[in-house]
Amino acid sequence: SAVISQKPSRDICQRGTSLTIQCQVDSQVTMMFWYRQQPGQSLTLIATANQGSEATYESGFVIDKFPISRPNLTFSTLTVSNMSPEDSSIYLCSVIPGQGVYEQYFGPGTRLTVT
Amino acid sequence: KNEVEQSPQNLTAQEGEFITINCSYSVGISALHWLQQHPGGGIVSLFMLSSGKKKHGRLIATINIQEKHSSLHITASHPRDSAVYICAVGSGNQFYFGTGTSLTVIP
Repeated sequence: SAVISQKPSRDICQRGTSLTIQCQVDSQVTMMFWYRQQPGQSLTLIATANQGSEATYESGFVIDKFPISRPNLTFSTLTVSNMSPEDSSIYLCSVIPGQGVYEQYFGPGTRLTVT
Repeated sequence: KNEVEQSPQNLTAQEGEFITINCSYSVGISALHWLQQHPGGGIVSLFMLSSGKKKHGRLIATINIQEKHSSLHITASHPRDSAVYICAVGSGNQFYFGTGTSLTVIP
C-alpha cells in the first residue's frame, strides 16, 4: 500500500497567480499521476510524473500551464500557472506502487478556488 | 460515449436500506476499482477486483467480466456512507473513471 499526503489541502488564489501543489508518498513508487476534478465532473488525467525526466502530458494539458517536477521516487509537485477561474478544481495526486500492480492510491486532494 | 458508465447518478436512501450502485464499461480490463470520495475531496480506494466478488464489512463488490459490469452493494446503510462512489477501470496503464454516484443516506 501507499500513504499519500498533499499540500496545501485547499487554497483560494487570485487570477493570474500560480500555485504549487506538493505530493509526498511514504514509500518509493514507480508511477505517479496528477488528476484534475472540475466541479461536478469525474477525474481527468493531467499528466504522468516521470522520475528524472519530463512529465508525459495528456491531450489538452501543456507543460507551460501545468509544470510538473519529480525529483525522486517519493515526491512530486504540480504547478498551476497563470490561473483563471476555470482552473478552480480539486487536484489529486495518485500512485501505482509497482510494475504490473494495478492498485491505484489517491492523495487527499487540493481544493483550489480561483477568484 | 464514456468508457465507464455509472448508475444512478444520484441516490438518496433511508438509514438501514440496502444500496446498489452499478458500473458498466467498454474497455479491456486489467482491474476495476471502486473509490469513495468524501465532500473534502479525498479519495479512498474501497476495492480492486478483476473477477468474482469481494466483501469488506458492509460493502460488497461484484464483477461480471463477460457482461463488463460491476456492482457495489452497501448493506444496512448509514449516514456516514454518504459520499460519491466512483467506478474506475484500469486498462493497461490507462485508467478510465465513471462520473460517480452521489449517495446521501438520511437518518
